[in-house]
Amino acid sequence: KAGVTQTPRYLIKTRGQQVTLSCSPISGHRSVSWYQQTPGQGLQFLFEYFSETQRNKGNFPGRFSGRQFSNSRSEMNVSTLELGDSALYLCASSLTLGQNYGYTFGSGTRLTVV
Amino acid sequence: GENVEQHPSTLSVQEGDSAVIKCTYSDSASNYFPWYKQELGKGPQLIIDIRSNVGEKKDQRIAVTLNKTAKHFSLHITETQPEDSAVYFCAASKNFGNEKLTFGTGTRLTIIP
Repeated sequence: KAGVTQTPRYLIKTRGQQVTLSCSPISGHRSVSWYQQTPGQGLQFLFEYFSETQRNKGNFPGRFSGRQFSNSRSEMNVSTLELGDSALYLCASSLTLGQNYGYTFGSGTRLTVV
Repeated sequence: GENVEQHPSTLSVQEGDSAVIKCTYSDSASNYFPWYKQELGKGPQLIIDIRSNVGEKKDQRIAVTLNKTAKHFSLHITETQPEDSAVYFCAASKNFGNEKLTFGTGTRLTIIP
């Protein structure tokens, strides 16, 4: 079966711009979580969506937002980009709410802010 | 909140030897401990996990041990092969809904042929 699909794979944006990243979960998976991965901070939790509702949120500023559609696909948006937002953004899906059921990660979107 | 520490940050091992990566966690209520392997250009992939009612779990060359009293858990890879070279992450969470995974900072494992 198809895995978690993230698009685009690479993005280059300018400071101040906004960006939207997309994640299609494994078919049948209803929970989607987003993580930011940087060399200095490792994997940091952004938020989790289940049944089109944000169920959990990490410690990121309001510039980071997301949403989930009725088909479980999810998008995350970052507004007013800063240089420090350069990172690999990972999406993970699982059957239901709660990470204990096992995540499947996508390959990520590499965002570079210049 | 939960804090997970992982050591070492880098590890080089001769092919065929064993590799051990250790993690400690702070929240005694955590009871789910997965390990992920991340290869270059890919997302992390779950390789093994353990729950707090189990002390050890094995899957071929990979094993994880858990010491709940000391709040630490370890990944053991035996008979290492070049394809084991990757970054490994440990994580911890409570075993019920709405609890996020907290990840360690990763270990870059290099297998020397």
